[in-house]
Amino acid sequence: DAKTTQPNSMESNEEEPVHLPCNHSTISGTDYIHWYRQLPSQGPEYVIHGLTSNVNNRMASLAIAEDRKSSTLILHRATLRDAAVYYCIQYSGAGSYQLTFGKGTKLSVIP
Amino acid sequence: GAVVSQHPSWVICKSGTSVKIECRSLDFQATTMFWYRQFPKQSLMLMATSNEGSKATYEQGVEKDKFLINHASLTLSTLTVTSAHPEDSSFYICSVLPGEETQYFGPGTRLLVL
Repeated sequence: DAKTTQPNSMESNEEEPVHLPCNHSTISGTDYIHWYRQLPSQGPEYVIHGLTSNVNNRMASLAIAEDRKSSTLILHRATLRDAAVYYCIQYSGAGSYQLTFGKGTKLSVIP
Repeated sequence: GAVVSQHPSWVICKSGTSVKIECRSLDFQATTMFWYRQFPKQSLMLMATSNEGSKATYEQGVEKDKFLINHASLTLSTLTVTSAHPEDSSFYICSVLPGEETQYFGPGTRLLVL
């Protein structure tokens, strides 16, 4: 079972920032937080991941709470191409390397 | 990131026939590949872990004799759906694991069994 909880859906206006929350209250000290997104009829796409510190890349930023029980994916300026289902995954890494996908958050971007 | 292709992108077949789906890692050698299945409006479900040169590891509830996985080279894994039935109609997606942290996914194969 997925160990994270996310809102089912969110809306954003185009060119505005989007904050996608995720709760992972059972996370252990060595678990990473991964974010993937899936556009309609496509395979998932890696977005970003982190362990403790906030992370930035060309796609997004990841803000991780100090207690690591929650995190927020930040899209700085939403575009229509960002409309997708965003999955937050608690990833243990070493061993099975398996990803367990929850239901994710469906992001709609309004022009 | 890694580039992954799948072939075919979509396939329609008659009930009772077998269908082979290929997953290729185009720019690195993949010791481990994963196969997922996604039904409409649902999330991805891991079916099996494919290891080059050894038998695949199947998740609970996935029939290994029905979903045959072959990972004969470091760039190719195949999933064969044997004796396909309408309930096997789904979106099949593979992924590769270049390191220990991130998976990269193929574009998916949509299977429709009539």
